[in-house]
Amino acid sequence: QAVLTQPSSLSASPGASASLTCTLRSGIDVGTYRIYWYQQKPGSPPQYLLRYKSDSDKQQGSGVPSRFSGSKDASANAGILLISGLQSEDEADYYCMIWHSSAVVFGGGTKLTVL
Amino acid sequence: EVQLVESGGGLVQPGGSLRLSCAASGFTFSTYSMNWVRQAPGKGLEWVSYINSRSSTIYYTDSVKGRFTISRDNAKNSLYLQMNSLRDEDTAVYYCARDSVLDPWGRGTLVTVSS
Repeated sequence: QAVLTQPSSLSASPGASASLTCTLRSGIDVGTYRIYWYQQKPGSPPQYLLRYKSDSDKQQGSGVPSRFSGSKDASANAGILLISGLQSEDEADYYCMIWHSSAVVFGGGTKLTVL
Repeated sequence: EVQLVESGGGLVQPGGSLRLSCAASGFTFSTYSMNWVRQAPGKGLEWVSYINSRSSTIYYTDSVKGRFTISRDNAKNSLYLQMNSLRDEDTAVYYCARDSVLDPWGRGTLVTVSS
């Protein structure tokens, strides 16, 4: 079982909100991790969006709009990237990441389609 | 402006070697840890290696241990990845990324391992 699991794809309408999940493997407690989120558009490198551990331990990437936010669902052992007021430019691949056992671990990525 | 520029990629036969470089500018390179991350064509992100600011702490993903060596020259503001015994599955775009946050990323350099 992968350390981080993301749905492979998600579709949402312009103006709506999209909730992208990043589920941690059983036995790895989401509450103890900072979860990082990255956006990658075709032909471009990934860009850091934000990190979230708790409401008192979070960071927005430089220049990242406030409509991108992070949270957690402890009951699902998952990190969440919420994108509100979806715009066509938000169509991209999104990756979550944690530092686990002295290594960086990425989720498999979610392709977000805005249509 | 913070900038990372990778170079050194190319076509190499299986079993061959390649040395990647990452030139940093716009920040005090010597105070930041650095990472290499790769992305196979059409695939997700895979972290490769980490080095701290003084080169005293180094980590690798299991698949490259014993074959790849990360290093840095703070006087030259440069990060390196020596890749030996290359395999087909090492074919990817290789990115350097700053800090444990992995922000920002360079534009990447393509490594193709093929006979």
